[in-house]
Amino acid sequence: GAGVSQSPSNKVTEKGKDVELRCDPISGHTALYWYRQSLGQGLEFLIYFQGNSAPDKSGLPSDRFSAERTGGSVSTLTIQRTQQEDSAVYLCASSFGLGTYEQYFGPGTRLTVT
Amino acid sequence: DQQVKQNSPSLSVQEGRISILNCDYTNSMFDYFLWYKKYPAEGPTFLISISSIKDKNEDGRFTVFLNKSAKHLSLHIVPSQPGDSAVYFCAEGGLTGGGNKLTFGTGTQLKVEL
Repeated sequence: GAGVSQSPSNKVTEKGKDVELRCDPISGHTALYWYRQSLGQGLEFLIYFQGNSAPDKSGLPSDRFSAERTGGSVSTLTIQRTQQEDSAVYLCASSFGLGTYEQYFGPGTRLTVT
Repeated sequence: DQQVKQNSPSLSVQEGRISILNCDYTNSMFDYFLWYKKYPAEGPTFLISISSIKDKNEDGRFTVFLNKSAKHLSLHIVPSQPGDSAVYFCAEGGLTGGGNKLTFGTGTQLKVEL
């Protein structure tokens, strides 16, 4: 079956511009997570959705970052006024939700802010 | 403060030998531990997991050991194969806001040489 998909795969943007990253989770997965991996770092948790609500936004690094999920499916991560330190690979994962720890990851979006 | 540590950024092993990847954690509230494998330009893929009530879980060539008193986790791969060459992340899970956020280590690059 189809796995988690993300788009675009690569995004180069100028400092100060806004970007939107998209995630399509596995069908039937109620939980959706966003992580990012900066160069030489581990995966850093950003935000978690259960259905369309986000009970945990604790990892969002600043108010320039926001995310939404509609229809319990597709999610969009938006970064406003991008900075060079936002350059990273942004990864989306999904799972069956409560009581399930195994998360399935998409291929990621590599964001480069110039 | 890094809650999950993988102190070896890289490991080189000969084909057919055992690979041992290590991980230390600080938060005793974690109740589930996972290993992920990541190839370049791909998202992490789930490999094997272990509940905190167990001290060993085996799946084919992969075995995970958990030492709760030492707060130490290890992954054994035997025999190692060239296709095992990848970055390996350990991750710990605990309930947050009803979800299962994962906290990742920084990864260990495994290279299996012919």
